[in-house]
Amino acid sequence: EADIYQTPRYLVIGTGKKITLECSQTMGHDKMYWYQQDPGMELHLIHYSYGVNSTEKGDLSSESTVSRIRTEHFPLTLESARPSHTSQYLCASRYKGNKGIHEQYFGPGTRLTVT
Amino acid sequence: QKEVEQDPGPLSVPEGAIVSLNCTYSNSAFQYFMWYRQYSRKGPELLMYTYSSGNKEDGRFTAQVDKSSKYISLFIRDSQPSDSATYLCAMSEGRGSTLGRLYFGRGTQLTVWP
Repeated sequence: EADIYQTPRYLVIGTGKKITLECSQTMGHDKMYWYQQDPGMELHLIHYSYGVNSTEKGDLSSESTVSRIRTEHFPLTLESARPSHTSQYLCASRYKGNKGIHEQYFGPGTRLTVT
Repeated sequence: QKEVEQDPGPLSVPEGAIVSLNCTYSNSAFQYFMWYRQYSRKGPELLMYTYSSGNKEDGRFTAQVDKSSKYISLFIRDSQPSDSATYLCAMSEGRGSTLGRLYFGRGTQLTVWP
């Protein structure tokens, strides 16, 4: 089982609140990713990081921000939650280097509901 | 046009059936092809991967890639209730892709009933 953790697992919060979704991995992976997953839809890449102090936006327009101050930690922040942010958020990481397969290890996800 | 197309199902089969799951794609640069399995309220986990064209077998699972048709398949033999999950295909470009970006299908929800 992959050593990648997400907290909280479930979050119900009111509109306008600031929230931070936590993601940590203990595998020393340099690349980390945040995906948004809605039922029956593709995983959409919203943020990624090559390593410490490196963050980029993905394909899906997102009002969230991320930071990567430590290798093992990749939190995602929503400054002002809205009902349209209701979704499942998945964090993933990938081992260093380019050889071999591009396996990403996923955390269990955070299911966010904004009321 | 989406990069990866996958029929979301749902697919419901009896225990012991052979299951066939499929994806098509449009990007000819894809070199690595993966199948992830996602149980309810869990994150996806890698089930199988194949590099370029061909077949790969692992126990009851067989992955096939036909690059000429841009079509990949996952076969599950002697399906079990424990195989009930959502199966997502994923693909990535060659080793020149430093990001290791994966492109996912929508996932096919499979239920195997006893």
